[in-house]
Amino acid sequence: QKEVEQDPGPLSVPEGAIVSLNCTYSNSAFQYFMWYRQYSRKGPELLMYTYSSGNKEDGRFTAQVDKSSKYISLFIRDSQPSDSATYLCAMSRTGGGNKLTFGTGTQLKVEL
Amino acid sequence: EPEVTQTPSHQVTQMGQEVILRCVPISNHLYFYWYRQILGQKVEFLVSFYNNEISEKSEIFDDQFSVERPDGSNFTLKIRSTKLEDSAMYFCASRGGTGANQPQHFGDGTRLSIL
Repeated sequence: QKEVEQDPGPLSVPEGAIVSLNCTYSNSAFQYFMWYRQYSRKGPELLMYTYSSGNKEDGRFTAQVDKSSKYISLFIRDSQPSDSATYLCAMSRTGGGNKLTFGTGTQLKVEL
Repeated sequence: EPEVTQTPSHQVTQMGQEVILRCVPISNHLYFYWYRQILGQKVEFLVSFYNNEISEKSEIFDDQFSVERPDGSNFTLKIRSTKLEDSAMYFCASRGGTGANQPQHFGDGTRLSIL
């Protein structure tokens, strides 16, 4: 079983739709959960950063963490064509070098 | 907004040659990282670096790889004798703070092509 699993997509939605992106994980030691956005030929750009279970909202983005189910989500409201990118979930445990373990990424296309 | 910068953006090297990838982390950050992403695959951790020493490394980071912080601003990844399978995007990241509660910020990467 992979440590972090993420649907690769591609996911295509119309402009204005609500997008739901998800990751599951197997390592219960993960405590910190992140969502990064990656445009083509660019580095991962931090979108959301959460610790342990709960919700966090930032503008059109909401991140949810359910540690009991080992499941995290990113919701994008009122999606825009500029949201078209690959979305990477990442997580880390406490201690050591705090390395990030990434999902494979979900490719999202928001169409006019 | 402060950012991580990486040079060069693209490096083409003959197999067996040494290559050095350079990074300038965000200025007040203390923790530094290298990741790589082979085309079509996920981002993979290589090494973390704090207080002038490696704090963790992956199985990928073998004796052919080394990291250095030669001065107060640069952080480098050296591959001593490159192989075809080293072809990938290499990302540098940094984070601040003294605990795990600071996120990592990434540069735009160096695309390494081994011929």
